[in-house]
Amino acid sequence: EAQVTQNPRYLITVTGKKLTVTCSQNMNHEYMSWYRQDPGLGLRQIYYSMNVEVTDKGDVPEGYKVSRKEKRNFPLILESPSPNQTSLYFCASSPDSYFQETQYFGPGTRLLVL
Amino acid sequence: QQQVKQSPQSLIVQKGGISIINCAYENTAFDYFPWYQQFPGKGPALLIAIRPDVSEKKEGRFTISFNKSAKQFSLHIMDSQPGDSATYFCAASAPPPDKLIFGTGTRLQVFP
Repeated sequence: EAQVTQNPRYLITVTGKKLTVTCSQNMNHEYMSWYRQDPGLGLRQIYYSMNVEVTDKGDVPEGYKVSRKEKRNFPLILESPSPNQTSLYFCASSPDSYFQETQYFGPGTRLLVL
Repeated sequence: QQQVKQSPQSLIVQKGGISIINCAYENTAFDYFPWYQQFPGKGPALLIAIRPDVSEKKEGRFTISFNKSAKQFSLHIMDSQPGDSATYFCAASAPPPDKLIFGTGTRLQVFP
């Protein structure tokens, strides 16, 4: 089954404790992206990757890191989480890095930073 | 200029009624306007999309109306059903390789 998977789905952590949210897609998509969803703000892009070893900042990259060592994986790293990073996070992928129009989203990771 | 403004924030409709969600944009370079549907606990999924060369696109009970001069587009859900209860996001992008810009979302509740 073609899908984008994220782990964990739910995470409670404390301020400053490094965490990684994994994202994997099995569709051989070139383009991958991370979004955060907050009430009243919609979906905002954090980072994106056009292909392996190619990543760039989105609209709200502060406090986040990413890496793209393999085409299928695009982990999101929070080196020192803070309460304002409490949010619902989505990973997404798109078949073509040029035509990013149709994006396939993962099921989301709900993060609470205490 | 990169914003997409979506309204209303929430919408309550009776079963069988018409649900209408509106979006407006400023960037005249936008040329692709999708709508995403998100059920609780799930990621958004593409519902329907339109390009500005047409003023309307219909897929089943879902219709996008597009007004290029007003820089507005809207989603109409005819004969709304309780199963349509979800959050809907409009989005827009300029020609590739530009990214999608999302609206703030509309929570639709359809009551029997």
